[in-house]
Amino acid sequence: DADVTQTPRNRITKTGKRIMLECSQTKGHDRMYWYRQDPGLGLRLIYYSFDVKDINKGEISDGYSVSRQAQAKFSLSLESAIPNQTALYFCATSDSPGRGELFFGEGSRLTVL
Amino acid sequence: AQSVSQHNHHVILSEAASLELGCNYSYGGTVNLFWYVQYPGQHLQLLLKYFSGDPLVKGIKGFEAEFIKSKFSFNLRKPSVQWSDTAEYFCAVNARGGYQKVTFGTGTKLQVIP
Repeated sequence: DADVTQTPRNRITKTGKRIMLECSQTKGHDRMYWYRQDPGLGLRLIYYSFDVKDINKGEISDGYSVSRQAQAKFSLSLESAIPNQTALYFCATSDSPGRGELFFGEGSRLTVL
Repeated sequence: AQSVSQHNHHVILSEAASLELGCNYSYGGTVNLFWYVQYPGQHLQLLLKYFSGDPLVKGIKGFEAEFIKSKFSFNLRKPSVQWSDTAEYFCAVNARGGYQKVTFGTGTKLQVIP
């Protein structure tokens, strides 16, 4: 089984719908991240959390929200999806205090029509 | 804030050719440096990392990278590429201290022709 699991792996939805992407990890890491990958733009950080009570915005947080339900779970929500949120989303973890090495989930491909 | 530049967006090589992918970062302090690889349809995996010590770092599958502090560079190399090296390669930097966010470059797609 994967150490970092994302669900769903693929999702097609319509503009205006609420979408939640879920991430769970068995690595025991405190730090969790959500990244978005777009062709030619690399990975951009949406939100990150260093523990259950510590959640921070990344460089492209507008239109997204997150919830850290437990050390092992970190969910990303799109309250009202729009087509330019079509992308590949990755959850990642790292240890604490951390040297920055990230462990990625398999990715969630989201298409907003 | 830190930033990462990867100069080559798309590289096409024949098998057995040598590879060098450029990576430069911008940050005034001490950093940790990484190369990640993403094979088609897969998630990112760590290829190699530099924290301190010998600036020449060896990773998996015959890859290596050299940290040149004066040039703010961390270029990836492989003497002889294989078709299975076809993938996208991302350079990343993590500034030590503070919130330690990891910043990625825009990636280089490598296509190896048999």
